[in-house]
Amino acid sequence: AQKVTQAQTEISVVEKEDVTLDCVYETRDTTYYLFWYKQPPSGELVFLIRRNSFDEQNEISGRYSWNFQKSTSSFNFTITASQVVDSAVYFCALSEAPGAGGSYIPTFGRGTSLIVHP
Amino acid sequence: NAGVTQTPKFQVLKTGQSMTLQCAQDMNHNSMYWYRQDPGMGLRLIYYSASEGTTDKGEVPNGYNVSRLNKREFSLRLESAAPSQTSVYFCASRTPPGTRGREKLFFGSGTQLSVL
Repeated sequence: AQKVTQAQTEISVVEKEDVTLDCVYETRDTTYYLFWYKQPPSGELVFLIRRNSFDEQNEISGRYSWNFQKSTSSFNFTITASQVVDSAVYFCALSEAPGAGGSYIPTFGRGTSLIVHP
Repeated sequence: NAGVTQTPKFQVLKTGQSMTLQCAQDMNHNSMYWYRQDPGMGLRLIYYSASEGTTDKGEVPNGYNVSRLNKREFSLRLESAAPSQTSVYFCASRTPPGTRGREKLFFGSGTQLSVL
């Protein structure tokens, strides 16, 4: 069985602060995918990133960066110099890769609500 | 570029009423999913369909039925709505296996359902 834990229910920061959202996962598969999705107040789910289990390179996209560490089963998300527009609920998700023998069904964490104050 | 289209956006039901949530995708995806989102619970899988004509239960299937009539459409039915089914419902479809570099879920805009 796979599991995703986002221990931080809510984080509140002031604009321009850096903030890290934690994601810890459990899976018995050696090949899997990890995702982050953003859900702004409007409610839609916006894809941010996908990471394959065999690629531990960290990723940076503008103010966003992701730190994937297989040794600790973590896939943490950092927003540098946060802005009010970053206020949203962020979800981490995991799924086995096709052909890995698993169900290929994405499992989501409970989400972290990020509030960025001006 | 419609992606995943989900209807209706809002619905209010009385306990015991039935309704069907519609979902259609135009990306030729095989896999489709229904999730419900509740405060503090994240997204929980109700049912999924790995391909046309097949459906399987997810984590919280009780009180729901689904139909995958064709490759495009995957509907979710509440036969006798209960207040516990008040939630936001999301339909999603997924890029096929082997779609290297583009592997992800595409979501509909959600249905906010209230059962009184």
